[in-house]
Amino acid sequence: NAGVTQTPKFRVLKTGQSMTLLCAQDMNHEYMYWYRQDPGMGLRLIHYSVGEGTTAKGEVPDGYNVSRLKKQNFLLGLESAAPSQTSVYFCASSYGGEQFFGPGTRLTVL
Amino acid sequence: EDQVTQSPEALRLQEGESSSLNCSYTVSGLRGLFWYRQDPGKGPEFLFTLYSAGEEKEKERLKATLTKKESFLHITAPKPEDSATYLCAVRGGGNQFYFGTGTSLTVIP
Repeated sequence: NAGVTQTPKFRVLKTGQSMTLLCAQDMNHEYMYWYRQDPGMGLRLIHYSVGEGTTAKGEVPDGYNVSRLKKQNFLLGLESAAPSQTSVYFCASSYGGEQFFGPGTRLTVL
Repeated sequence: EDQVTQSPEALRLQEGESSSLNCSYTVSGLRGLFWYRQDPGKGPEFLFTLYSAGEEKEKERLKATLTKKESFLHITAPKPEDSATYLCAVRGGGNQFYFGTGTSLTVIP
């Protein structure tokens, strides 16, 4: 099993550009999450999903959108990137208990 | 508001020198307290889940305990390979998890 995978691993954007981060899991988990991790701030929840076709806002949702069209995939979109969105993004999945994390995407917005 | 605070921010230990990391929390309706290990450049790796006060879990040199207001991660006779950032998270009444900022542990040979 690959567990949780994320693509891409690294990306550099210019202010105003858009992009989509892809998260895939092969553990048949119902719950999926997107976090951002910034120095001194810890992991902060952006959006999450409790099942296919459902999404909900987390702690810091502004500037991001998500979609969960298939159970195994959870997409995070940035419509108009801003320098404040420079961060490391982690996806996680869960059956309802502990979360399993992907390796992260390092995003820089210039 | 659900909140998690970890201390200390950083800890340097000599190999074999035991110590404890603290995670204090305020949450309405605790549905689990989780400990993770994170190595540089990688995603967090699950260590333990605790659900009720008095519960303890052990794995090799690590032992996690839980009270009504805090959790401790005890590290016994640490080795250099235990060096990492240790994260604590709580799950409250909803489906959200709240993470602390972590304790960066360095074990010196």
